[in-house]
Amino acid sequence: EDQVTQSPEALRLQEGESSSLNCSYTVSGLRGLFWYRQDPGKGPEFLFTLYSAGEEKEKERLKATLTKKESFLHITAPKPEDSATYLCAVQAGEDSNYQLIWGAGTKLIIKP
Amino acid sequence: GAVVSQHPSRVICKSGTSVKIECRSLDFQATTMFWYRQFPKKSLMLMATSNEGSKATYEQGVEKDKFLINHASLTLSTLTVTSAHPEDSSFYICSAPTSGSDEQYFGPGTRLTVT
Repeated sequence: EDQVTQSPEALRLQEGESSSLNCSYTVSGLRGLFWYRQDPGKGPEFLFTLYSAGEEKEKERLKATLTKKESFLHITAPKPEDSATYLCAVQAGEDSNYQLIWGAGTKLIIKP
Repeated sequence: GAVVSQHPSRVICKSGTSVKIECRSLDFQATTMFWYRQFPKKSLMLMATSNEGSKATYEQGVEKDKFLINHASLTLSTLTVTSAHPEDSSFYICSAPTSGSDEQYFGPGTRLTVT
């Protein structure tokens, strides 16, 4: 069964304290892995798409990496405004209907 | 990135009434849109896939007669919650992929409260 697991469930960091969020997946034929950010009461905001192992993408303080089993979202010197829930999702198989399999998310809290 | 809007952002209705939520792709055409439901502190639960010009595809356990989906144009999909009950209270979010891209862009969500 296709599955996406994110860890930790919640992460509290001091401002400037770098860390990583994990997304491990078990799917039959990865088409793409997606990272989103969601603020309370809002829809998810697209961050990155990764397609193949070894691929990396960066945006400001965030860098996403991908292996054959997992993806990491590295956050460098975070600021309080980076506080949010970070969601990981994968698109799997030959099906081209764009359906995503979602992880439960990691709630990131950055304390000033 | 592409922009998806939802209307209304918040709605309160009485038990037994119906509520319509609109999802629009503002700067692109979307042959497919997705409707999700999100419970507090939980991840997104896919309810149905909305296809322009054809019937929606519902996920297992989602009542198609209760959650009516209409995708009448390439920029608009609607979700109607019929005969709403308090247990239908939730955060409903739509999304759409842009043509030729795998990324999905999400609307801001609609908070439904049934009293």
